[in-house]
Amino acid sequence: QKEVEQNSGPLSVPEGAIASLNCTYSDRGSQSFFWYRQYSGKSPELIMSIYSNGDKEDGRFTAQLNKASQYVSLLIRDSQPSDSATYLCAVKSGGGADGLTFGKGTHLIIQP
Amino acid sequence: SQTIHQWPATLVQPVGSPLSLECTVEGTSNPNLYWYRQAAGRGLQLLFYSVGIGQISSEVPQNLSASRPQDRQFILSSKKLLLSDSGFYLCAWRGGTLNQPQHFGDGTRLSIL
Repeated sequence: QKEVEQNSGPLSVPEGAIASLNCTYSDRGSQSFFWYRQYSGKSPELIMSIYSNGDKEDGRFTAQLNKASQYVSLLIRDSQPSDSATYLCAVKSGGGADGLTFGKGTHLIIQP
Repeated sequence: SQTIHQWPATLVQPVGSPLSLECTVEGTSNPNLYWYRQAAGRGLQLLFYSVGIGQISSEVPQNLSASRPQDRQFILSSKKLLLSDSGFYLCAWRGGTLNQPQHFGDGTRLSIL
């Protein structure tokens, strides 16, 4: 069974610091990787997509992918209280079936 | 730009009652459509996906069903709700190639009494 694992947290980070969120996945054939942010009671919102090994930066967010280690991470620089949310890692497997496999999410708290 | 609508936002239903949740997408044609459920303390679980009108794939056996009567309309149904059907139901769409991200609607919070 395809699995995506995340530390549920909560992860507490002081305002202005770097928040580091991690995710591992079991399907070695996975091709696409996504980070979603979900505020309490709201639907997930896409933050980052990454498809190849290495780093991808978008503003204060950097996604990192290491397919050999089956590991994805999200770094948030200059963390703000508005970044407090649950961050979901999602993986698109390499098989023909559609749909994403989600981790349970990491609850991030940015302390003012 | 593309938008996705889900309704209702919240729903309280008794056990054994029927269910119909609707999702529509605007600003795109022939999208891939998805239904997910997020139960308390659990991750998002893919329930159904559709690549076109009348084409439904089920990922999890359950008492729910889905239909796609029009290109941009996706419906989730049940004839008899169970307590375990409670949760946050999310519709999502994807366009373009297989590796494109999915985008979610605002969701329906379903409580079964």
